[in-house]
Amino acid sequence: ETGVTQTPRHLVMGMTNKKSLKCEQHLGHNAMYWYKQSAKKPLELMFVYNFKEQTENNSVPSRFSPECPNSSHLFLHLHTLQPEDSALYLCASSQDGQIYTGELFFGEGSRLTVL
Amino acid sequence: AQTVTQSQPEMSVQEAETVTLSCTYDTSESDYYLFWYKQPPSRQMILVIRQEAYKQQNATENRFSVNFQKAAKSFSLKISDSQLGDAAMYFCAYRSGFATSGTYKYIFGTGTRLKVLA
Repeated sequence: ETGVTQTPRHLVMGMTNKKSLKCEQHLGHNAMYWYKQSAKKPLELMFVYNFKEQTENNSVPSRFSPECPNSSHLFLHLHTLQPEDSALYLCASSQDGQIYTGELFFGEGSRLTVL
Repeated sequence: AQTVTQSQPEMSVQEAETVTLSCTYDTSESDYYLFWYKQPPSRQMILVIRQEAYKQQNATENRFSVNFQKAAKSFSLKISDSQLGDAAMYFCAYRSGFATSGTYKYIFGTGTRLKVLA
């Protein structure tokens, strides 16, 4: 099992569709993240969960809805997206705490195309 | 607010040569971590090297080393003896030493695409 697994790897959807991205981490970490990666832009933090409680919502439009049922799983529900939402969506996890070094472990990403 | 700047969108290096990727950051915090991450084409992003701000000694991991200049807020990555497998996007990242609501915020740069020429 790889550390952080994302499915699907590729997704094409119309603007009226509803779809979900899934992330699973097998590392026992307490924090999970959704990032949006667009060309020539810094990674944009979308959501952060710590022990399945949302601790950060970085002014993300409501058409993106996260869900974290437990510390190992993270979902991103997509609804009524716009073409500019096309991007690579990265999930990451970390073991947060003062004694930890703070490394993020990333999944391979879900490439989303909105038509 | 913290910012991370990578001013080189793309760099090229000949195989076996040395290349340096630049990164500057801005922060008012004294406790923080800096990272370089590597993202190969269509593969997951992985940590290359990490530097704690309180450590004066520059971090080194095999062929990868950093030049950490705290006063100048500069954090460059040097890759020695470049290999074809080093071709990737490289991201510089900052992590605060202080947690907000139990989690730490990471700030990433825009990335530098490194090409390695055979």
